Amino acid sequence: DGGITQSPKYLFRKEGQNVTLSCEQNLNHDAMYWYRQDPGQGLRLIYYSQIVNDFQKGDIAEGYSVSREKKESFPLTVTSAQKNPTAFYLCASNEGSSTDTQYFGPGTRLTVL
Amino acid sequence: GIQVEQSPPDLILQEGANSTLRCNFSDSVNNLQWFHQNPWGQLINLFYIPSGTKQNGRLSATTVATERYSLLYISSSQTTDSGVYFCAVGGGGFKTIFGAGTRLFVKA
Repeated sequence: DGGITQSPKYLFRKEGQNVTLSCEQNLNHDAMYWYRQDPGQGLRLIYYSQIVNDFQKGDIAEGYSVSREKKESFPLTVTSAQKNPTAFYLCASNEGSSTDTQYFGPGTRLTVL
Repeated sequence: GIQVEQSPPDLILQEGANSTLRCNFSDSVNNLQWFHQNPWGQLINLFYIPSGTKQNGRLSATTVATERYSLLYISSSQTTDSGVYFCAVGGGGFKTIFGAGTRLFVKA
């Protein structure tokens, strides 16, 4: 089954800790994306990667970091510098053109205690 | 940047009713997608429709790019249609801009 997996489904973090959210895809897509969704809101772009070893900041990149060492993996680290990290995080991928449909993973719900 | 506005923000329907959701965007776009987010948070692609009309079962969508709007039609609504419907557009590059969504609740 081709698709996008995210783990963990739920994550609890103490203030001051860094946490890493996993995103893996077996769709052979070149481009991958991370979005943040706050309650009752739409999705906002954090980072995106068009190709291995390259990534670009989105609209709300402050306090987050990413890596793209493998085509199928695009982990997101939420650092202690992110002031309000409690949110729902969604990973997506597509074939790499801006005109391609994006496919989404099931999401990770992060709560800061 | 491009602004995306969706209406109505909330919608309550009786099962079997029809509805129309609207997405307005402020500039030319090179792609437009409609998504359904289920109560568990999963986003499902409904349509990729930068222009024209498409139909898939009880759902159909129309985008009039020259007038900068898209419509999503839901006919004979079912309780499983409940959730949030998002319109998302791309204006160039790799950024996709999402609207705030229409929250739909279908009553049995």
